[in-house]
Amino acid sequence: EPEVTQTPSHQVTQMGQEVILRCVPISNHLYFYWYRQILGQKVEFLVSFYNNEISEKSEIFDDQFSVERPDGSNFTLKIRSTKLEDSAMYFCASSLPGQGYAFFGQGTRLTVV
Amino acid sequence: LAKTTQPISMDSYEGQEVNITCSHNNIATNDYITWYQQFPSQGPRFIIQGYKTKVTNEVASLFIPADRKSSTLSLPRVSLSDTAVYYCLVGEGYSSASKIIFGSGTRLSIRP
Repeated sequence: EPEVTQTPSHQVTQMGQEVILRCVPISNHLYFYWYRQILGQKVEFLVSFYNNEISEKSEIFDDQFSVERPDGSNFTLKIRSTKLEDSAMYFCASSLPGQGYAFFGQGTRLTVV
Repeated sequence: LAKTTQPISMDSYEGQEVNITCSHNNIATNDYITWYQQFPSQGPRFIIQGYKTKVTNEVASLFIPADRKSSTLSLPRVSLSDTAVYYCLVGEGYSSASKIIFGSGTRLSIRP
């Protein structure tokens, strides 16, 4: 079964550092998403991406966040200057048009110290 | 996006059938009902989706009454590995890259 792959599985970074979380969506999918989940809390939408541009973003997705699809397979989330409160699980997801649901990766656990 | 209401938690035993009901009184004509499962420290996993009546797959069944104001996810003969959080979502068929909004879900605990 095709799956969304995320790397790394766990990243520890110092406050103020930049991090890049990487995702390989399912190959024929066209819509891509990033979500985050702070420990013990809900899964929160960050951003959706289609046709090489952001379709929608949440209030969480401020100027310190950016997304990119640098090539035909990767989809990245960059956090420019990490804060302690950015510590969370970050999930990438992808979907087909009209599919009505998305496939999620296993997540990257980001710990900011 | 229609608001959904589901129990915060449920307990059951191995081998039992578990039914989790979700209320969505304001569901729109174009809305589908979708359920996800999430294990600890893993991403949500799509389980089942339906529009009306009954849908069944290898994992679960989804029952939707005629008025579509609620739906019931049915897990047959649960095992310990079914312990997870189950999310009910209602929304359009995502013809665009629209966001999926997760609620708090139902935390299902299965005991031996």
